[in-house]
Amino acid sequence: NAGVTQTPKFQVLKTGQSMTLQCAQDMNHEYMSWYRQDPGMGLRLIHYSVGAGITDQGEVPNGYNVSRSTTEDFPLRLLSAAPSQTSVYFCASSPSPGQGVDTQYFGPGTRLTVL
Amino acid sequence: AQKVTQAQTEISVVEKEDVTLDCVYETRDTTYYLFWYKQPPSGELVFLIRRNSFDEQNEISGRYSWNFQKSTSSFNFTITASQVVDSAVYFCALSEDTDSWGKLQFGAGTQVVVTP
Repeated sequence: NAGVTQTPKFQVLKTGQSMTLQCAQDMNHEYMSWYRQDPGMGLRLIHYSVGAGITDQGEVPNGYNVSRSTTEDFPLRLLSAAPSQTSVYFCASSPSPGQGVDTQYFGPGTRLTVL
Repeated sequence: AQKVTQAQTEISVVEKEDVTLDCVYETRDTTYYLFWYKQPPSGELVFLIRRNSFDEQNEISGRYSWNFQKSTSSFNFTITASQVVDSAVYFCALSEDTDSWGKLQFGAGTQVVVTP
């Protein structure tokens, strides 16, 4: 299993540009989430999904869109990048509790800079 | 309101000293999950432990130990005989969603610096 993969690893955007951060998992997990990590603030939940076709907002959803057309993929779209979106983005997946897994699996992260 | 508080921003120790990281959480739910993660300088998130709210048994795993006390809403983490490889940021996290742990609320993290 590749686990949770994220692309790209690094990205530089100009203000106003749009882009999609890719996230995929090959563990057939139902739950997937996107977090952003900013210095001194830990990770904050942007959006999450409990299955294909079902998404919901987290703590900081503004400026981001998600969709979940398949179990494997959960892309995060920045509609019009702003410098405040400069951050490290982590994708995570997990099965439902009780399936012998203790936690979410996190991807390696995408470091995004918006100029 | 912040649900998970890690009051220590940075802790510096000399190798072989013990390090205790504090975590205080806030929830009204009776069922919840608590986690500790380690983030080394390379940036990945490494899962260390999960505790269910109904399991207050403390645990020791090698040089790591955890002290979960519901009465004080604390879930502290101790590294015994620290090593340079323990240098990292450590995050405490809370999940109030009993259907999944897909919605974690993280503390701000504690930077641990271990010098030889």
